[in-house]
Amino acid sequence: NAGVTQTPKFQVLKTGQSMTLQCAQDMNHEYMSWYRQDPGMGLRLIHYSVGAGITDQGEVPNGYNVSRSTTEDFPLRLLSAAPSQTSVYFCASRPDRVLSGYTFGSGTRLTVV
Amino acid sequence: GQNIDQPTEMTATEGAIVQINCTYQTSGFNGLFWYQQHAGEAPTFLSYNVLDGLEEKGRFSSFLSRSKGYSYLLLKELQMKDSASYLCAVRDRERGGSYIPTFGRGTSLIVHP
Repeated sequence: NAGVTQTPKFQVLKTGQSMTLQCAQDMNHEYMSWYRQDPGMGLRLIHYSVGAGITDQGEVPNGYNVSRSTTEDFPLRLLSAAPSQTSVYFCASRPDRVLSGYTFGSGTRLTVV
Repeated sequence: GQNIDQPTEMTATEGAIVQINCTYQTSGFNGLFWYQQHAGEAPTFLSYNVLDGLEEKGRFSSFLSRSKGYSYLLLKELQMKDSASYLCAVRDRERGGSYIPTFGRGTSLIVHP
């Protein structure tokens, strides 16, 4: 049971490049979310999904797209990378039970130069 | 929207007790979480409170007062490995029947010998 798997762990992009951060979970969780974490800012919600085929925007969605074609996978796409997107990105999932907390992936450290 | 306030940093001595406070303002409260995050790692779920009172889990306890918009995390018999950031998260916003937590900026706890 791998939990939540994120790839890659580290990435350097040039301004204007696009890429996809991968997230997969093997716990059959309905809810999945993407957060970014910046020094002094805490975790901020980018996009989330409550099940396959259903996604919605969070607090800071601009410059990012998501899709949820399967229960297991929830990729995050950066359309045209900007230095302001330099951050640590965490994917998280939880089952559809009220008392459940999130299980987080190990994170992707992204630098945009 | 909501405001979540936590102290930025706290220090304590090994073997002692420390209380980390969290205050919040929400429009539709539906639960409060505490997470632990060691430097360079992903957050891990510690506790969840939705009703007033104290929830105890080993050395860690979490308290909630909904009328005061206040919670605290109590750590007893501190160990060096408890040095970490402690994140308070409030579940509030309802979208599509879901409740998505918003995170505070975290409290960095330093335990010294």
